[in-house]
Amino acid sequence: QKEVEQDPGPLSVPEGAIVSLNCTYSNSAFQYFMWYRQYSRKGPELLMYTYSSGNKEDGRFTAQVDKSSKYISLFIRDSQPSDSATYLCAMRGTGGYNKLIFGAGTRLAVHP
Amino acid sequence: DAGVIQSPRHEVTEMGQEVTLRCKPISGHDYLFWYRQTMMRGLELLIYFNNNVPIDDSGMPEDRFSAKMPNASFSTLKIQPSEPRDSAVYFCASSSLAGGQETQYFGPGTRLLVL
Repeated sequence: QKEVEQDPGPLSVPEGAIVSLNCTYSNSAFQYFMWYRQYSRKGPELLMYTYSSGNKEDGRFTAQVDKSSKYISLFIRDSQPSDSATYLCAMRGTGGYNKLIFGAGTRLAVHP
Repeated sequence: DAGVIQSPRHEVTEMGQEVTLRCKPISGHDYLFWYRQTMMRGLELLIYFNNNVPIDDSGMPEDRFSAKMPNASFSTLKIQPSEPRDSAVYFCASSSLAGGQETQYFGPGTRLLVL
């Protein structure tokens, strides 16, 4: 079993839709949770970062962490064609540097 | 800043040849990471350096892979001899302790095809 599970999609939605992307994980030591966005033929870029449980909002993006269920989500409101990309979740533990563990990535297509 | 710079952007080589990938991290960053991305395995950490010293190379697939960081502004990932299963996109990323270790900045990647 992988430490981080993420449905690779693809996910296709119409412009303006609310998008929900999710990851589950097995390691209870994970404390830092991130979402990266990767456009085609580009490197991943950090989109959202959360520590421990709770919600974080940034514009049209909301990240949620439910540590009791070992489940994290990224919501995109009013999705735009420019949101079309692959979204990777990533997480790590605490105590010095712990390497990031990435999900497989979910490919999202927002069509006009 | 120009961001993380990688070269070459594309590499096509034949099985058995030596391949050298290059990376210039963001100035002032003290962590450097090498990742490999494939459809089958996703994004995998191969090795990372802190202050030019290799800290964790447990992700390096086998002895054919080696990485060096001779100074703070340059790193190489070498594959010798290369095999078709090494075909992937190789990313270099860097981060600063001051900026938060989780804020890794990725380069554009090197697309490697081994025939």
